[in-house]
Amino acid sequence: AQSVAQPEDQVNVAEGNPLTVKCTYSVSGNPYLFWYVQYPNRGLQFLLKYITGDNLVKGSYGFEAEFNKSQTSFHLKKPSALVSDSALYFCAVRDDTYGTGANNLFFGTGTRLTVIP
Amino acid sequence: DGGITQSPKYLFRKEGQNVTLSCEQNLNHDAMYWYRQDPGQGLRLIYYSQIVNDFQKGDIAEGYSVSREKKESFPLTVTSAQKNPTAFYLCASSTSWTSGNTIYFGEGSWLTVV
Repeated sequence: AQSVAQPEDQVNVAEGNPLTVKCTYSVSGNPYLFWYVQYPNRGLQFLLKYITGDNLVKGSYGFEAEFNKSQTSFHLKKPSALVSDSALYFCAVRDDTYGTGANNLFFGTGTRLTVIP
Repeated sequence: DGGITQSPKYLFRKEGQNVTLSCEQNLNHDAMYWYRQDPGQGLRLIYYSQIVNDFQKGDIAEGYSVSREKKESFPLTVTSAQKNPTAFYLCASSTSWTSGNTIYFGEGSWLTVV
């Protein structure tokens, strides 16, 4: 069975400072990892994913994430936070409940990021 | 513009009523999904469809039904059998059901029981 943990419900960061949103995972086989962002009353927007290859993945809006196999982590980062980055962030991992080749995701419970002006 | 359109954005249901949420995509995606989102929880899969004329139950299918008669459409009906339907519902799609394909989401629909 797979799982994903976002250990922080809330992260506060000052505008212009670097931000990190943490995610750890547990999965059998190769992990396919995703980050999504959700603004209030909106759907989820895809930021980036790791399937294979380079451990540092670059995504939309200046975000990046580093896949660390030994620590089973996939933390989301951005060098300089903007007030407009304030949102709910979800980490997700491949869900093999419906078969190892199935394209479903198991989502974390989300981390609310607040960027303080 | 290409994307996933959900309607209505807000829907109110009376006790004992069935309601249907619409989902249309013009991305030419084969796979479509319905998720439910409750505060403080991750998304939970209700139903998925790998291809037109096929659909399968997800983790929380009880009290819900779907159809997939057209590639671009995947409506969700919330029946009176769903005891706690108040939630945010998200429709999604991906190129295929093959693992690793990015899942894209619509803007969501709020359902409230009154």
